[in-house]
Amino acid sequence: DQQVKQNSPSLSVQEGRISILNCDYTNSMFDYFLWYKKYPAEGPTFLISISSIKDKNEDGRFTVFLNKSAKHLSLHIVPSQPGDSAVYFCAASHFQGGSEKLVFGKGTKLTVNP
Amino acid sequence: NAGVTQTPKFQVLKTGQSMTLQCAQDMNHNSMYWYRQDPGMGLRLIYYSASEGTTDKGEVPNGYNVSRLNKREFSLRLESAAPSQTSVYFCAIEGGRRFLVNEQFFGPGTRLTVL
Repeated sequence: DQQVKQNSPSLSVQEGRISILNCDYTNSMFDYFLWYKKYPAEGPTFLISISSIKDKNEDGRFTVFLNKSAKHLSLHIVPSQPGDSAVYFCAASHFQGGSEKLVFGKGTKLTVNP
Repeated sequence: NAGVTQTPKFQVLKTGQSMTLQCAQDMNHNSMYWYRQDPGMGLRLIYYSASEGTTDKGEVPNGYNVSRLNKREFSLRLESAAPSQTSVYFCAIEGGRRFLVNEQFFGPGTRLTVL
């Protein structure tokens, strides 16, 4: 049973336009949601996160929106740049066994065309 | 990926062989994690360690063992490798706090192929 779902395997946008990546989750116990970015042959890097008590968080060109009633979050990148081309993973966090554990979605490959 | 190192970067094994993947951190953080990433599957947690000397199972622990002998190092062992364990393995540590959550820092990964 997949607790975190990214239903779009890929997304292609033009440079300068908005990129919107979506994520759905099923477990109401998740307390934080995170986005990671991954380039080929590298480890994922943390991008931005949001607490379950908030509905929006911004960091420069990146904004994450959370709709708790719909169990849905999205990452907006404005404006998109070619260097943003990567795989984006949505992750949900819950504290268990003395550590914060992450459950990842399958990822969305974003391509930003010049 | 500064602060988390993994060795080796690549490895090819035959079915039944054993090997240990090494992970080391220089950030003095408590929690460490091992994930595997398969095509189209995202990252799945194999084992984690909340502190030195403690380990616990994640989502996909079968076929693996781990060891956390000190705060700095967390190793993952395959006792008898199987083709289903062909994957990219990432080590992560629980890092600094941003946006009220402990982000995890990931190492560069080990690409393992089991023939």
